[in-house]
Amino acid sequence: EVQLVESGGGLIQPGGSLRLSCAASGFTVSGNYMSWVRQAPGKGLEWVSVIYSGGSTYYADSVKGRFTISRDNSKNTLYLQMNSLRAEDTAVYFCAREGGEYCGGDCFLYWGQGTLVTVSS
Amino acid sequence: SYVLTQPPSVSVAPGQTARITCGGNNIGSKSVHWYQQRPGQAPVLVVYEDSDRPSGIPERFSGSNSGNTATLTISGVEAGDEADYYCQVWDASDHPRWVFGGGTKLTVL
Repeated sequence: EVQLVESGGGLIQPGGSLRLSCAASGFTVSGNYMSWVRQAPGKGLEWVSVIYSGGSTYYADSVKGRFTISRDNSKNTLYLQMNSLRAEDTAVYFCAREGGEYCGGDCFLYWGQGTLVTVSS
Repeated sequence: SYVLTQPPSVSVAPGQTARITCGGNNIGSKSVHWYQQRPGQAPVLVVYEDSDRPSGIPERFSGSNSGNTATLTISGVEAGDEADYYCQVWDASDHPRWVFGGGTKLTVL
């Protein structure tokens, strides 16, 4: 059974840093496109970043230069290092796996339950 | 960057048909995916590649895509279908990105 479990969220002051983790089971993180998607309170979904199975990474313009996506194959875990945090980064952060046999890398089939990041002084 | 436009809300009586639209420039040339999100839960993929359903999704959920509008149709709406629905496409105009619509709140009257 595929499972994604995020952790690492919390309250952080503006300008601070935080690292989110997403522990995967039932499949290998390194063999799939893995993304972070966030949702601000009461708002819609926003794609944040992706890491391809080959290791290439891409970011939304809103986080480029501040956030870094990575993975640890030995731990089968996805990470999001968030630096220079701003109030507008406040959101629930979901990790998500590609659509596999359904829609490949175009969509997201599996999601974690999310972890809340609150940026406030 | 590519923009997807959804109506903020749609209301329908139980047993009726709900249609949720997703507008985008020549969206008919892209594959559209739809997610259902209940309050406090993670999104669930309900339709992929315009009109296909993942395993476990009821046949009541269907989709279409043509021109500048994609549509998610829910037939025989049930109280449990009340949720937020998001359309999504993959876009690579300058670099790969996954674009979501703003979401539509489906209310079952």
